[in-house]
Amino acid sequence: KAGVTQTPRYLIKTRGQQVTLSCSPISGHRSVSWYQQTPGQGLQFLFEYFSETQRNKGNFPGRFSGRQFSNSRSEMNVSTLELGDSALYLCASSGGGLNQPQHFGDGTRLSIL
Amino acid sequence: AQSVSQHNHHVILSEAASLELGCNYSYGGTVNLFWYVQYPGQHLQLLLKYFSGDPLVKGIKGFEAEFIKSKFSFNLRKPSVQWSDTAEYFCAVIENSGYSTLTFGKGTMLLVSP
Repeated sequence: KAGVTQTPRYLIKTRGQQVTLSCSPISGHRSVSWYQQTPGQGLQFLFEYFSETQRNKGNFPGRFSGRQFSNSRSEMNVSTLELGDSALYLCASSGGGLNQPQHFGDGTRLSIL
Repeated sequence: AQSVSQHNHHVILSEAASLELGCNYSYGGTVNLFWYVQYPGQHLQLLLKYFSGDPLVKGIKGFEAEFIKSKFSFNLRKPSVQWSDTAEYFCAVIENSGYSTLTFGKGTMLLVSP
């Protein structure tokens, strides 16, 4: 079956703009998690959605937000972009249980100029 | 808050050498443990996982890991590495809080020379 699909793959924005990233999970998966990957900080958890509800949230400012739709697709929004937001944003999906590993997409590479 | 430490940021080995990558976590409760691998230009892939039972778990491509609860460790091993094992390896933990949130280590970049 198809894997986790993230769009777009690459994005270039300037400071102050906002951006929306999209993630389509594996069919049947109800949990979608977002992570930020940077060379300095590694992989950091942003938030998790399960059945359209935010179930957990990492330690990121309110400029980072997300949502999940009834078909489990998820979007992540970042407002008032800063240079430090340049990163690879990864989406992962799973069935939502503790014993169900997460499957990752290829990510969206966001560059802020 | 829990944390995950990976001992080496970079490891360089020759083909056929043995590999052991260290991973320690800080959480004192029940955890699920994972190793993920990221090959150049590819997405993160699950290498192996430990939920319960036999603390020695086997994964794909000849990798294995041993969970030692008393040492809060989950080290990754492979008896003989290949050039194709060149990749970044991430140890990750989920605490059994009801959420499926992964806490990752900083990663270890493995370079295998032919």
